Amino acid sequence: DGGITQSPKYLFRKEGQNVTLSCEQNLNHDAMYWYRQDPGQGLRLIYYSQIVNDFQKGDIAEGYSVSREKKESFPLTVTSAQKNPTAFYLCASSIDEGSSYNEQFFGPGTRLTVL
Amino acid sequence: RKEVEQDPGPFNVPEGATVAFNCTYSNSASQSFFWYRQDCRKEPKLLMSVYSSGNEDGRFTAQLNRASQYISLLIRDSKLSDSATYLCVVTSPNTGNQFYFGTGTSLTVIP
Repeated sequence: DGGITQSPKYLFRKEGQNVTLSCEQNLNHDAMYWYRQDPGQGLRLIYYSQIVNDFQKGDIAEGYSVSREKKESFPLTVTSAQKNPTAFYLCASSIDEGSSYNEQFFGPGTRLTVL
Repeated sequence: RKEVEQDPGPFNVPEGATVAFNCTYSNSASQSFFWYRQDCRKEPKLLMSVYSSGNEDGRFTAQLNRASQYISLLIRDSKLSDSATYLCVVTSPNTGNQFYFGTGTSLTVIP
């Protein structure tokens, strides 16, 4: 079955540690995205990538980093510089980021809790 | 000003009721509009795209009013399984067609 996978589903880390969230898709989509969702707030864009080896900052990129070495993979690192990292992180993909008519498909998400 | 604004609810309605959600957007140049559904602690899933002429999918009807810059979602004959949070999404051509999500409207259908 085609889809987007994220791992792990739940992640606990100590304050000050970097952590990397995995996102893999086998939909052959060009564009991939990372969002964070906090209670009472809409999804906010962290980073996105239209093509391999290229990515752009979203609205809340500070304290995060990404890479896009393969079309199917777009891992997100939450660094110690992120002031409030506890959140629900969602990865998404779409056929082509440049077209506004393409829906985004979401992975199941990772709940990160920093202790 | 937020790109997208939604009434967070909650909306609590009995089974069989008709319920409507509205969502306003700030950028008049926005081109694409969607409604996503998100179940508790799950990922959002596309419910329907919103076309200029309006569109219907079974019990669900979406409308776009460009003059007043709002979109709406109407659910008829509500089912218990409709209980979820409904997210309004608007794209902005000024930012490479980035998706902007509303905070969501919570719906609970009561037996």
